[in-house]
Amino acid sequence: EAGVVQSPRYKIIEKKQPVAFWCNPISGHNTLYWYLQNLGQGPELLIRYENEEAVDDSQLPKDRFSAERLKGVDSTLKIQPAELGDSAVYLCASSLGGQGLTKNIQYFGAGTRLSVL
Amino acid sequence: AQSVTQLDSQVPVFEEAPVELRCNYSSSVSVYLFWYVQYPNQGLQLLLKYLSGSTLVKGINGFEAEFNKSQTSFHLRKPSVHISDTAEYFCAVITIQGAQKLVFGQGTRLTINP
Repeated sequence: EAGVVQSPRYKIIEKKQPVAFWCNPISGHNTLYWYLQNLGQGPELLIRYENEEAVDDSQLPKDRFSAERLKGVDSTLKIQPAELGDSAVYLCASSLGGQGLTKNIQYFGAGTRLSVL
Repeated sequence: AQSVTQLDSQVPVFEEAPVELRCNYSSSVSVYLFWYVQYPNQGLQLLLKYLSGSTLVKGINGFEAEFNKSQTSFHLRKPSVHISDTAEYFCAVITIQGAQKLVFGQGTRLTINP
């Protein structure tokens, strides 16, 4: 079974340029998460989707960040324009959702490492 | 809101020695607890989890952790480490009800020396 797939793995851009990251969750997982991981820190949630609905985007800087999950499967996270401080690893995760103890177990992709110059 | 404190930012140990990585959490409601491992330039891999039942949980790669509700701790242990265990380890909690937001600690870098 394929895990969470993210692309690209690495991205280098100049400040003020736009950038987009793509995530395909584990098949059958209804819940999708985007996290930001700064160097030497734990991941921090940016946005959580239940199917195609964003149910928690309170930590997403909406002036420059946007996300979509149009068909409730794969998702795109966009930054426009990028700033130097956006350099970090962007992680995508998915979980089954629904009921039961296992609904909250999150599985992570390899991440996209963004460098803004 | 819940929070997680990993008491050691770096832990160096010799190969085949035992190790304990400490994790304490704070929450006003019941939580589930997790340990994730992150190898260099990779994503997070689930090491083990406590959802219910026995407070001693076993995970992959010979790791285990014990949930101590009275001390609000979930320390990770391995009796004998290998070079391949060199990685960053993250403790995380999620509330059983309410916001159900996974909150991570700052991470502990485990370095295994030959």
